[in-house]
Amino acid sequence: KQEVTQIPAALSVPEGENLVLNCSFTDSAIYNLQWFRQDPGKGLTSLLLIQSSQREQTSGRLNASLDKSSGRSTLYIAASQPGDSATYLCAVREYGGSQGNLIFGKGTKLSVKP
Amino acid sequence: NAGVTQTPKFQVLKTGQSMTLQCAQDMNHEYMSWYRQDPGMGLRLIHYSVGAGITDQGEVPNGYNVSRSTTEDFPLRLLSAAPSQTSVYFCATKRVPGLVFPETQYFGPGTRLLVL
Repeated sequence: KQEVTQIPAALSVPEGENLVLNCSFTDSAIYNLQWFRQDPGKGLTSLLLIQSSQREQTSGRLNASLDKSSGRSTLYIAASQPGDSATYLCAVREYGGSQGNLIFGKGTKLSVKP
Repeated sequence: NAGVTQTPKFQVLKTGQSMTLQCAQDMNHEYMSWYRQDPGMGLRLIHYSVGAGITDQGEVPNGYNVSRSTTEDFPLRLLSAAPSQTSVYFCATKRVPGLVFPETQYFGPGTRLLVL
């Protein structure tokens, strides 16, 4: 059974710092991997989606990489800002199955201090 | 274009009561799903649908029913609420794969449910 783990569970950094969030998965047979952001009391917002054939995706200050063979993905946030404070969730979609079901990690709660 | 909407935002139920959580989308997405989010457990799939008239179970379906009569709506029914169903419920939608569209999933704002 696929398991998704995110380390660390919580992270506090000063504003301006570059940081990396980690996601690992136990079965490399994934269709894609998606990073989400969740603000307190809110829904999930998709940040980046990496197809299994891709190595990385970039959007603004965010860069996500994928290494399927090692079962790892990282989300790099450059020049962090207080507005980046949120919980970041990693989710994988596997081949087969139901065409879209995601398996989530428990998230990394990020706090960026001014 | 409202995206994915969920109602109610918050609900308190007594054990044994029934209710329906509503999810609606205006993006014409074929795939819709329900997740629950619990502290320390992450999000877990309850039920999903790949189109009108087609539903299936996810990881934690017990105690929940769904139906999909239209593309736009995917209600989640609790027939007899239990305290273990206290959670935050999210609806998500996306295009069905096989078409040339991104696989990005869109989530609603959630419904917070407290069962006493």
